[in-house]
Amino acid sequence: AQSVAQPEDQVNVAEGNPLTVKCTYSVSGNPYLFWYVQYPNRGLQFLLKYITGDNLVKGSYGFEAEFNKSQTSFHLKKPSALVSDSALYFCAVRDETGGSYIPTFGRGTSLIVHP
Amino acid sequence: GAGVSQSPRYKVAKRGQDVALRCDPISGHVSLFWYQQALGQGPEFLTYFQNEAQLDKSGLPSDRFFAERPEGSVSTLKIQRTQQEDSAVYLCASTTGVAGASGANVLTFGAGSRLTVL
Repeated sequence: AQSVAQPEDQVNVAEGNPLTVKCTYSVSGNPYLFWYVQYPNRGLQFLLKYITGDNLVKGSYGFEAEFNKSQTSFHLKKPSALVSDSALYFCAVRDETGGSYIPTFGRGTSLIVHP
Repeated sequence: GAGVSQSPRYKVAKRGQDVALRCDPISGHVSLFWYQQALGQGPEFLTYFQNEAQLDKSGLPSDRFFAERPEGSVSTLKIQRTQQEDSAVYLCASTTGVAGASGANVLTFGAGSRLTVL
């Protein structure tokens, strides 16, 4: 079985400060990991993914994520937050070797960036 | 089209009514997913199509839920005898590749259909 946990319902950060949105996962095989963002009344938009290789993945809008196999984590980061980054962020996992082809999503983290 | 289109965007149904939600995926996308997103929750998998074949319907919550994709493009999610617990946003997503193929498939989502059952 595959699962993903986002331990924080909400993250608050001041504009210009670094931000981190946490994600941990559980798979029986090798993970494919994703981050999506959802703005109000919009569908989820892809930010970045980890398949294999470099543990630090760079994505859209200046976001990056670090894959940590020992801690089974894939935290989303950005060096300097913008007010426009305020949105819902979803982490997702797919077990590449476990035979599942359906991504499982976390419950989401609301990021609020204060001016 | 340029993106995944879903209609209607908003639907209010009385308990017991049948509803149909439509998804127009990106042209040429082989794989199509339906997810249900309850308020304050992440998307929960409902069903998956590869072209016109429904390969996985393990996430459909009851036999009142039915999905089809008869020509391998447009898909319809039908909910019969709606109940209040069916109130949610129904998300459709498509991707170019065959789900499960080598490489990680990135999903393109529609804006969703928000269903409210009174």
